Amino acid sequence: DTGVSQDPRHKITKRGQNVTFRCDPISEHNRLYWYRQTLGQGPEFLTYFQNEAQLEKSRLLSDRFSAERPKGSFSTLEIQRTEQGDSAMYLCASSPGRGQRDNEQFFGPGTRLTVL
Amino acid sequence: QKEVEQNSGPLSVPEGAIASLNCTYSDRGSQSFFWYRQYSGKSPELIMSIYSNGDKEDGRFTAQLNKASQYVSLLIRDSQPSDSATYLCAEGVDGNKLVFGAGTILRVKS
Repeated sequence: DTGVSQDPRHKITKRGQNVTFRCDPISEHNRLYWYRQTLGQGPEFLTYFQNEAQLEKSRLLSDRFSAERPKGSFSTLEIQRTEQGDSAMYLCASSPGRGQRDNEQFFGPGTRLTVL
Repeated sequence: QKEVEQNSGPLSVPEGAIASLNCTYSDRGSQSFFWYRQYSGKSPELIMSIYSNGDKEDGRFTAQLNKASQYVSLLIRDSQPSDSATYLCAEGVDGNKLVFGAGTILRVKS
C-alpha cells in the first residue's frame, strides 16, 4: 500500500496561466476526491469520482476548473486562467467505495499552488 | 448548508493529561463522522471514524458520538508533545463527500 500520491507538490504560476495537477489514489480504491484548503480552514470539497464517472461537483468548482479520471485510476485537476484567489493547497483523497468503511478517505500530501 | 463547528483553540494541555476536542454538526441525517490530525504544512491524516452512538476506542484515542445532540468528540489520553497539531472533525454527507470543521489547534506542553 503506497498511499495516495500527488504531483507536483508545489506549483508557482503567474495569473492567467493554466495549471494541471495529478493524483494517484490507493490502488484498490474506486472513489477519488478533490478538496481545496486555505490557511486556517478545513478542506472544502470540490468534486469526486466513482471509478471514471464524475458524480458530483461543488459550486466552488467554477468553469475554469475541470477534473478527469479517464480510466478510473489516476485523476487530473486543471485550472485555467488562474487567479490569485486560486492560491491554496489542493488535496486529493481516495476511499474504498465499498464495504462498511466505504467512505474512509485517505489524503495525499497535497499540491500547494501559489498564483502571483 | 451543512456545517461542522469546532472551537479553533488553541487548546493547551500538559503532557500526560487528557485532551478533549469537541465538534457539533448541523445535518441530522449524517451517518458517518471522522477525526483527522493535521500537522503544520502537511495533509490531514485519518485518526478515527465513528458511525453509531456511543464510544469507540483505538489506543490512546476515544471518539464519542451523540446523534441526538449532534455532537462528536475526541479524547486523547496520556497526551504527548507529538500530539500537538490541528484536529479536524468531518461528517460524511450523502455517503461520499466530507464536510470539515475549521479545526482545533492542540498544544501539548512538556
